[in-house]
Formats: sequence, C-alpha cells, structure tokens
Amino acid sequence: AQRVTQPEKLLSVFKGAPVELKCNYSYSGSPELFWYVQYSRQRLQLLLRHISRESIKGFTADLNKGETSFHLKKPFAQEEDSAMYYCALKPGGYQKVTFGTGTKLQVIP
Amino acid sequence: GAGVSQSPSNKVTEKGKDVELRCDPISGHTALYWYRQSLGQGLEFLIYFQGNSAPDKSGLPSDRFSAERTGGSVSTLTIQRTQQEDSAVYLCASSRLTGGRNTEAFFGQGTRLTVV
Repeated sequence: AQRVTQPEKLLSVFKGAPVELKCNYSYSGSPELFWYVQYSRQRLQLLLRHISRESIKGFTADLNKGETSFHLKKPFAQEEDSAMYYCALKPGGYQKVTFGTGTKLQVIP
Repeated sequence: GAGVSQSPSNKVTEKGKDVELRCDPISGHTALYWYRQSLGQGLEFLIYFQGNSAPDKSGLPSDRFSAERTGGSVSTLTIQRTQQEDSAVYLCASSRLTGGRNTEAFFGQGTRLTVV
C-alpha cells in the first residue's frame, strides 16, 4: 500500500529565508504527487502537481523517483505563506488519494 | 457548478447523541472521500467511495462511524453515541475520473463537530 511521510509537523522560518517542506513516499508504481495548502479559515486546496512542473506562488516541487521524494521549496518565504501544507499521492486507476499528516509552516516576520 | 458543499458547517451535540454530517460533491465526480482533522493534527482518512464499487472503510475509527452514498452523489457520515474525542473538523472531498485515474481532490469547507 502507498504511504506519504511528512517528517515535520511544524516548520518555522523567518521572512525572506528559504523554505523546504519535506515529503517522502512509498509506492511501487508510478504515482502522481501533489501539494495541497490550507490557509487559516479557508478550505484545503490544490497548490501544485508534479506533472505540471509549475511554480505557484513561488513554490516548486520536483519529483525525485530515486529518493522517492517530492519536497516543496520556495527561495524566499513570505508571511502569507503561513499555512498547513499536505503532500498527497495519487496512484493509478481507481485507488484513493493518500495524504501525508501535514506540515504547519510558520513564517516569522 | 458549485464546489463541494458540506452541512452543517458547525454542530454542537451532547455526548451519547447521534449526528449526521452531509456532503454534496461536485456534480459528475465519482470519487468521494471523508477525512477528519483534529485540533493541531493532520488529515485522518475515514472512508472512500468510488462509483458503484464497495467503499474503502479502512479508516473508520470504530463501529460507531458509518457512511453511505446514495445514488452515487450525496454522502452522509453518521457518528453514533458521540464521544468527546469525536470533536474535530470533518472534511469531505470529491474528484472525477479522467483517463482511468482520479483527478485532484476538491474539498468542502468542513463541518466542525463539538461534543460536549
């Protein structure tokens, strides 16, 4: 069965500092990986997906199949980045999406 | 149309009472998920429906929890004999199938359940 691990429950960084939210996964096939974000008092929403190779709000994430990782990065943290971030894995077919336990990012002004 | 809708948005109930939480997924979405988010905790998977297949109930914490999905659309999560530890935000999400795969999940705003 697939598994998603986010080792940090809380990550505190200063404004302007680089951010890296870690995500490791285990899955025998070729999954799709996502990052979801939940800002205070807002619903959980998709931030980015690995197949799009996009940068959203300055965040990027590269799928490393060798290390089975999908870390989320941003070079310069902003206060508005403070939120809960979830890494998610979507297997093929009809299998359910699996979420990690989440990392709370706190950007200190 | 509209996004995933959950009702009620807030529910306060007495310990021992039964509660029903409702989820209206996005029209056409065949997959529906229920999650629980406790204070300071991450997402806890509860149950997954996919079309007419038997649901994946592997995340339900006890037999007090059950869920059904009628007509492949609306879903109801029922908690019987509520306990204080059931207090949490219950999230529903839906996604559709494209090319044989589930697409991204769209979440509702959640139901905040407080058991007193």
